[in-house]
Amino acid sequence: DAGVIQSPRHEVTEMGQEVTLRCKPISGHDYLFWYRQTMMRGLELLIYFNNNVPIDDSGMPEDRFSAKMPNASFSTLKIQPSEPRDSAVYFCASSFRSSGNTIYFGEGSWLTVV
Amino acid sequence: AQSVTQLGSHVSVSEGALVLLRCNYSSSVPPYLFWYVQYPNQGLQLLLKYTSAATLVKGINGFEAEFKKSETSFHLTKPSAHMSDAAEYFCAVSATPGESNYQLIWGAGTKLIIKP
Repeated sequence: DAGVIQSPRHEVTEMGQEVTLRCKPISGHDYLFWYRQTMMRGLELLIYFNNNVPIDDSGMPEDRFSAKMPNASFSTLKIQPSEPRDSAVYFCASSFRSSGNTIYFGEGSWLTVV
Repeated sequence: AQSVTQLGSHVSVSEGALVLLRCNYSSSVPPYLFWYVQYPNQGLQLLLKYTSAATLVKGINGFEAEFKKSETSFHLTKPSAHMSDAAEYFCAVSATPGESNYQLIWGAGTKLIIKP
């Protein structure tokens, strides 16, 4: 079975540019999570969706960040405008109710803002 | 609020030696507990999880963890370390004790270093 698929795997962009990260969850999963990982702050939950509806976005750092899930098989995380402090690895993960809270992670999108 | 503490940001063991990674959580009710592993440049992968069944949980790659309610601990062990075990290990607990809540509270992670 295909796992969680993220794109791009690596992105280098200039400060002020818009960044769009994409995620395809595992088919049949009804929860989708966006996490950010940095050396300083560790693993942080940014936002999660249930059945395509945002449930908790309290982890989104500021208005420059936005996330959407237009359908069950696709989600985006946008940063506009990007800043150097946004440099991090962004993980998408998915889960389904019967899995007992088990979350399955993608390989991550490595973002560098210069 | 729930919290997870992993003792030691780095743990170094010799190849063939016992691996012990410590995790303590704060809760009066047994929650769901997890160990995930992250190999370099990869996402997190589930090693094992506790869901109120047997207190000794066996996972992949020879790892196991024991849930001890009296100590609020869920330490990860492996009898004999292998070079391929070098990775970062994360302990996590469900945010709401005893409920199927899909938010997990994560520990800060422990990097396991294997010495030849």
